Amino acid sequence: AQTVTQSQPEMSVQEAETVTLSCTYDTSESDYYLFWYKQPPSRQMILVIRQEAYKQQNATENRFSVNFQKAAKSFSLKISDSQLGDAAMYFCAYRYPNYNTDKLIFGTGTRLQVFP
Amino acid sequence: EPEVTQTPSHQVTQMGQEVILRCVPISNHLYFYWYRQILGQKVEFLVSFYNNEISEKSEIFDDQFSVERPDGSNFTLKIRSTKLEDSAMYFCASSGTTLSYEQYFGPGTRLTVT
Repeated sequence: AQTVTQSQPEMSVQEAETVTLSCTYDTSESDYYLFWYKQPPSRQMILVIRQEAYKQQNATENRFSVNFQKAAKSFSLKISDSQLGDAAMYFCAYRYPNYNTDKLIFGTGTRLQVFP
Repeated sequence: EPEVTQTPSHQVTQMGQEVILRCVPISNHLYFYWYRQILGQKVEFLVSFYNNEISEKSEIFDDQFSVERPDGSNFTLKIRSTKLEDSAMYFCASSGTTLSYEQYFGPGTRLTVT
């Protein structure tokens, strides 16, 4: 069964600095998708970034980028130039692309605090 | 920008009562999901729905739960006889065709069972 592990329950960063959140996963599949979701205090789930396993190039979205290491089954999120609005829970998620059943499997989350 | 909506935002109910949580997915989406998040815990998959039938359900989704798409727009989750441990945030999500793999989440319904 696929599992997703986030080993950092909490992280903190100073405004304008860079922080990296870790995620590892376990799967026997070769084709899948990985995501980072942000959950602010409002508890809305917001997609931050996605990565297709068949792509070697790491995904980037503005200040957010990933370090995808397929062999190591690692998918970390780097937030550059951190802003106060980045403070939230961040969840790593795995999706196996079965066209009939494509549930997301989430990690336990990392709470990111941003200090001014 | 189209979005998934959910109603109500907060539902308080007594143990043993039935509740229906409502979701309006993005209009051209074909795949629908319910997830649950108990306070302080991770988001857990409940059920996926495609082509008017359940395509997968988790162990959590027992006989007390059911889903329905009663018309072309709504997607509902019903809990027949609520328990204290059903208290959680319930998220609806939808995704488009098989070529579109992103799941878009609604704002959630906070269910409190007393």
